[in-house]
Amino acid sequence: QSALTQPASVSGSPGQSVTVSCTGTSSDVGAYNYVSWFQQHPGKAPKLMIYDVSNRPSGVSNRFSGSKSGNTASLTISGLQAEDEADYYCSSYTSSSTYVFGTGTKVTVL
Amino acid sequence: QVTLKESGPALVKPTQTLTLTCTFSGFSLTTTGLRVNWIRQPPGKALEWLARIDWDDDKFYSTSLKTRLTISKDTSKNQVVLTMTNMDPVDTATYYCARTTGQLSEFDYWGQGTLVTVSS
Repeated sequence: QSALTQPASVSGSPGQSVTVSCTGTSSDVGAYNYVSWFQQHPGKAPKLMIYDVSNRPSGVSNRFSGSKSGNTASLTISGLQAEDEADYYCSSYTSSSTYVFGTGTKVTVL
Repeated sequence: QVTLKESGPALVKPTQTLTLTCTFSGFSLTTTGLRVNWIRQPPGKALEWLARIDWDDDKFYSTSLKTRLTISKDTSKNQVVLTMTNMDPVDTATYYCARTTGQLSEFDYWGQGTLVTVSS
């Protein structure tokens, strides 16, 4: 199972919106609505930001939103803030009843 | 309050077997729909899913690592154990356990992770 493809980095100024893409195949992202997104600050455990493509866990800011089209999922961060600077990973359930993570994207707040 | 914590050796030698324990609280792995996963992250690299055990004792493994992994649970101790055989320096990573709920993509609680270094 190959890792999902994410851009290595995206950046934006405070207040702007950025979108991180996550491209898989018809056996993972395209097959199920079981895509999640995680935020990871240096030296910390990942934190769930989005699950089931577009659902936000309690306590996660509504500046974070998720969507999916075909084999590509996307995470959008609106109203970018300094605290949003982190690594972001997507994950998808697969047709093999396993999970695959993305390659990771570093979001930089300029 | 849900918590998970990983424990195990910080250093293992090549070819040895690694045994990691995830001790959790705030939920029971006998509750329908709950699952515990193991995920690892080599230094500076991406996350990699390893294995999952469900409330009904169903077990699932990474396709590429399945011959080396065994996952089990002890519900009386609130623990999930992962063993990985034939360790290699490329297996050096932080190993995390994380809970998923009835929603298959809802990795809602994670442990702090434990760094395992493979070196002679």
